[in-house]
Amino acid sequence: AQSVTQLDSHVSVSEGTPVLLRCNYSSSYSPSLFWYVQHPNKGLQLLLKYTSAATLVKGINGFEAEFKKSETSFHLTKPSAHMSDAAEYFCVVSDISARNTGNQFYFGTGTSLTVIP
Amino acid sequence: NAGVTQTPKFQVLKTGQSMTLQCAQDMNHEYMSWYRQDPGMGLRLIHYSVGAGITDQGEVPNGYNVSRSTTEDFPLRLLSAAPSQTSVYFCASSRGESPLHFGNGTRLTVT
Repeated sequence: AQSVTQLDSHVSVSEGTPVLLRCNYSSSYSPSLFWYVQHPNKGLQLLLKYTSAATLVKGINGFEAEFKKSETSFHLTKPSAHMSDAAEYFCVVSDISARNTGNQFYFGTGTSLTVIP
Repeated sequence: NAGVTQTPKFQVLKTGQSMTLQCAQDMNHEYMSWYRQDPGMGLRLIHYSVGAGITDQGEVPNGYNVSRSTTEDFPLRLLSAAPSQTSVYFCASSRGESPLHFGNGTRLTVT
């Protein structure tokens, strides 16, 4: 069975300091992994994706994530937080093997990022 | 490319009324899904479809119906609205290994 755990429901950082949002997953197969961002009263936007290529994935707005199979983790990082990064972040696991038989996508419950000026 | 289009953006219903939330995508995605988002609960899957004519229940299907007569469209029907269905609804689609593409959401209030 697949599942996603976002280890922190809220993270608060000062502007200019590093951001770390943690995500652990469980999957029976080789998963695809994604991070989405949702700004207040907006839809979900894809930040980055891992699909079995390079384990360090670079996304938009300076974010990156590293796939660590041994730790079943896919943590999201950014070297220097900006005020505009304040948003909700979702980690998502996709099981492509279930494409024709069932649900593919499993969401974490989200991490709310606050950036302090 | 329009992507995933949801209508309406906002809706207010009285308890017991019915309505349909529309979702259309123009990317030839075989997978389409509906989620509801409530504070503190993330996104919860209502129904999904892996192709035209095929639908299945997700985590919270009660009170909602779906159909998939075409690849492009995946409407969500509320048969008899209840205050517990007050939420933000998102439609999303995907194909193969691509990520989910989301619509902009529908904010529904049931009084």
